[in-house]
Amino acid sequence: AQKVTQAQTEISVVEKEDVTLDCVYETRDTTYYLFWYKQPPSGELVFLIRRNSFDEQNEISGRYSWNFQKSTSSFNFTITASQVVDSAVYFCALSEAKEYGNKLVFGAGTILRVKS
Amino acid sequence: DAGVIQSPRHEVTEMGQEVTLRCKPISGHNSLFWYRQTMMRGLELLIYFNNNVPIDDSGMPEDRFSAKMPNASFSTLKIQPSEPRDSAVYFCASFAGAGYTFGSGTRLTVV
Repeated sequence: AQKVTQAQTEISVVEKEDVTLDCVYETRDTTYYLFWYKQPPSGELVFLIRRNSFDEQNEISGRYSWNFQKSTSSFNFTITASQVVDSAVYFCALSEAKEYGNKLVFGAGTILRVKS
Repeated sequence: DAGVIQSPRHEVTEMGQEVTLRCKPISGHNSLFWYRQTMMRGLELLIYFNNNVPIDDSGMPEDRFSAKMPNASFSTLKIQPSEPRDSAVYFCASFAGAGYTFGSGTRLTVV
């Protein structure tokens, strides 16, 4: 069965600090996808990134970067030079590639508070 | 494309009443998912459909919950009778090869 663990319930940082959100996953499949979503105070779920299990290259998008390591089953997310607008709940999620649909399972989420 | 459309955005109902939540997926997306978000349980998958067929409803909490997808452009999640513990935000999402798109959610309050 698939499972996603986000051990950090809440993180508080001061603006301009770097912060890393941890994500550890479990799956028996060799083909799967990993995601990060942001949920700002307004409540919508905003897609940030998707990686497939065959692509272990790290990704950088502006101040955001992701580190995917299959050896440790981790997909960590780093925000560089955090800003107040980054305050949100961040969810890591896992989808196994199945013949009938792709079930997306979320971690519990990490609340990020960035203080000015 | 207008994205995944959910209605209503907010619903307040009395315990025992029937509640129907609606979702219009993105055209061409062949999978549809219903999630429930609460503080205690986080984001839970309730049920998902592929090509309008229910594939996995193991997350549906009780027989009071039912979901249908009569066609590719519409799905409903019904709670009958509703209870205060059903209060949550319910999200609908649709999926195609590129990924999942979530609706804005329906905030349900059962008093």
